[in-house]
Amino acid sequence: DQQVKQNSPSLSVQEGRISILNCDYTNSMFDYFLWYKKYPAEGPTFLISISSIKDKNEDGRFTVFLNKSAKHLSLHIVPSQPGDSAVYFCAAEETSGSRLTFGEGTQLTVNP
Amino acid sequence: DAGVTQSPTHLIKTRGQQVTLRCSPKSGHDTVSWYQQALGQGPQFIFQYYEEEERQRGNFPDRFSGHQFPNYSSELNVNALLLGDSALYLCASSSPGTVRANVLTFGAGSRLTVL
Repeated sequence: DQQVKQNSPSLSVQEGRISILNCDYTNSMFDYFLWYKKYPAEGPTFLISISSIKDKNEDGRFTVFLNKSAKHLSLHIVPSQPGDSAVYFCAAEETSGSRLTFGEGTQLTVNP
Repeated sequence: DAGVTQSPTHLIKTRGQQVTLRCSPKSGHDTVSWYQQALGQGPQFIFQYYEEEERQRGNFPDRFSGHQFPNYSSELNVNALLLGDSALYLCASSSPGTVRANVLTFGAGSRLTVL
């Protein structure tokens, strides 16, 4: 039972353009959503998060959008840079807290 | 400031053997969680330790067990290894008093290969 899904295993964009990574979830008990970035041979690092009471959160080049009715969130990176090339994981947490449920990840490649 | 450190970084075992993985949390953190990341998948929650007790557990068999020491470091033990246990095992720590997972700091992981 995959409660968090990232349907695109990979995404390739040109430097300077927008990268849009998508994530869908099924569990209505999720109330907090996060994006993590992972480089090879490193652990995932926190990127940006959003509470279910909001529909948008922005941090520099990164913006996360949440559509609760569609159970969908997306991460926008503008402008994309070659250093953004990494695997991006969407994750969700239930109201009870303490654990994260991750999607399968999307490999983003930003070409110079 | 050292982050989360895990050891060993890589190891190879054969089916039926037992393995112990170790984790030192980030300085100032007292809660440790373990995740399993199979190839091509996202990390899956195994369990979380706080005050030397297992606080929450994911959908993993009893072959997976853990321990937290008074200095907050932790071990993950897996008995009777199966081929399907081959994965990257990630340790994550969080700050005192936090219940929500959204302040996790992850280590680089221990890559286990079971032959």
